[in-house]
Amino acid sequence: AAGVIQSPRHLIKEKRETATLKCYPIPRHDTVYWYQQGPGQDPQFLISFYEKMQSDKGSIPDRFSAQQFSDYHSELNMSSLELGDSALYFCASSLVVGVREETNTEAFFGQGTRLTVV
Amino acid sequence: GNSVTQMEGPVTLSEEAFLTINCTYTATGYPSLFWYVQYPGEGLQLLLKATKADDKGSNKGFEATYRKETTSFHLEKGSVQVSDSAVYFCALKKERGFKTIFGAGTRLFVKA
Repeated sequence: AAGVIQSPRHLIKEKRETATLKCYPIPRHDTVYWYQQGPGQDPQFLISFYEKMQSDKGSIPDRFSAQQFSDYHSELNMSSLELGDSALYFCASSLVVGVREETNTEAFFGQGTRLTVV
Repeated sequence: GNSVTQMEGPVTLSEEAFLTINCTYTATGYPSLFWYVQYPGEGLQLLLKATKADDKGSNKGFEATYRKETTSFHLEKGSVQVSDSAVYFCALKKERGFKTIFGAGTRLFVKA
């Protein structure tokens, strides 16, 4: 079965550079989430999109921006990179089904992009 | 707000020992509850889930029961293996489209 695809898997950037991470959700999934996981930390929610509109916002720095495109893939753009941005960035996708709260599907996670800022 | 609290690690066990990792949650309404596992250098994998009170999720010998009265979702396994060494995250997700909220993670080491 198709899974969430993230690219690149590894990325090394210098301070103050820009990085773009890409996420391709599971086909027919309409919601994408971005998470940041620092070393030894739990995943921290950054931002999510539902049907190409931002649906929720977490601890995403102003230097970061994201969007979801017409084909439902999403990109996380990170500018003015800092050493502290070094982390594993996960994308997840889910499908909103039905109209009742109990029809709730779990999020499926990609393998992540490991960003190292030097 | 919504949150997940799980026991601190690391947890170190010998092979074939019994495992319990405690997890409690705070949420309004009726969240779905999950356990994710993260092996070294890998992404998050869904281990098991429960979507309503008294549901029991199970997979690969792991089990967890959704207890609404105690707002808990403790993870158990009767006999752990070295290959179970990983970090385990308890998580909740509310109504459709809502983000998944994770606990801090519990690292498990299993010794041969």
